[in-house]
Amino acid sequence: EAGVAQSPRYKIIEKRQSVAFWCNPISGHATLYWYQQILGQGPKLLIQFQNNGVVDDSQLPKDRFSAERLKGVDSTLKIQPAKLEDSAVYLCASSLQTRSYNEQFFGPGTRLTVL
Amino acid sequence: GENVEQHPSTLSVQEGDSAVIKCTYSDSASNYFPWYKQELGKRPQLIIDIRSNVGEKKDQRIAVTLNKTAKHFSLHITETQPEDSAVYFCAASKAGGYSTLTFGKGTMLLVSP
Repeated sequence: EAGVAQSPRYKIIEKRQSVAFWCNPISGHATLYWYQQILGQGPKLLIQFQNNGVVDDSQLPKDRFSAERLKGVDSTLKIQPAKLEDSAVYLCASSLQTRSYNEQFFGPGTRLTVL
Repeated sequence: GENVEQHPSTLSVQEGDSAVIKCTYSDSASNYFPWYKQELGKRPQLIIDIRSNVGEKKDQRIAVTLNKTAKHFSLHITETQPEDSAVYFCAASKAGGYSTLTFGKGTMLLVSP
């Protein structure tokens, strides 16, 4: 089966600019996750969707980050305005449903560098 | 919320040796513990997981043990090979509701030929 797709793979921007990332989950996966992975650390959940509804965004910096999954399939994550500390890899993952035993499949990530 | 601590941060072994990575968690309600392998520049991939009703699970050269009383779990890799070199992440979550994974900071495993 096709895996989780993400684009772009790399992005370099200057601080205070805006950036958007796109994710297409595995077909049929109801749950979609966005993680932030800072160099040398484990992935940190930013937001979790069940179909097109948000079920957990407690760690999303809502003053600058936003995400949507309008039709319950693709998702976009936006940062506006970006800060230096936002430099990280942004990983999208999906799973069949949100119950804990379901394996999460990760995309290749988008490496963001903020100068 | 859940907190997962992982040790060591780096581990160097000779090919053929065994490697052990340990994690502790804080939330006694957590009952699902997956391990992910992330090769340089690639996506994390699940290699093994364990549920709280099991104390040990094995898959060829990889095994995971769980001690719920002490709230710690470990990854064991036997007969290590150079292709085992990667960053390994442990994680923990709770069953039911909208569960989320909390990851450890990762262990970089280097296997020298």
